[in-house]
Amino acid sequence: KQEVTQIPAALSVPEGENLVLNCSFTDSAIYNLQWFRQDPGKGLTSLLLIQSSQREQTSGRLNASLDKSSGRSTLYIAASQPGDSATYLCAVLPNYQLIWGAGTKLIIKP
Amino acid sequence: ETGVTQSPTHLIKTRGQQVTLRCSSQSGHNTVSWYQQALGQGPQFIFQYYREEENGRGNFPPRFSGLQFPNYSSELNVNALELDDSALYLCASSLDGYNEQFFGPGTRLTVL
Repeated sequence: KQEVTQIPAALSVPEGENLVLNCSFTDSAIYNLQWFRQDPGKGLTSLLLIQSSQREQTSGRLNASLDKSSGRSTLYIAASQPGDSATYLCAVLPNYQLIWGAGTKLIIKP
Repeated sequence: ETGVTQSPTHLIKTRGQQVTLRCSSQSGHNTVSWYQQALGQGPQFIFQYYREEENGRGNFPPRFSGLQFPNYSSELNVNALELDDSALYLCASSLDGYNEQFFGPGTRLTVL
């Protein structure tokens, strides 16, 4: 059974720092992995999609990596800003349904 | 290009009632998935529709049902509402079930 874990559950850092969010999964048989952002009480915004054949994807200040053999993905945020404060969730697609981690709540202090 | 939309935004019901939530998929997408997200948790998969047929179902009781229309919009129906059904209900559309999923803003359901 596929399980997804995100560590840490919460993170608070000063503005301007580079930071890394972690996501681990138990079964490497996946089609892709997605990172999402969720603001309080809101829906999900897709940040990055990494296909199973890819190693990383970049969008602006965000870079996500995927290592299927170790069951790990990281989301790197460069030069963090207060507007980056949100909950970040990762999800893997082993078949037709996304399997989710519980998220990392990120607070960027001005 | 219109993104995924959901209605209503918020809904308050009492225990035992029935509710219908609606979702319009992104243009060109034929697959819609529904998820339930309780407060502080990751979303849980309810079911998926592909070209008007149910394509998979999560661990939810039969009182959770749905359908997809020829224009690929979708409905989620929940009968005999329970207090634990209070959650954010999210709809996602994709080109098929195996590509990037795009989410709507969600419907916040409160059951009293």
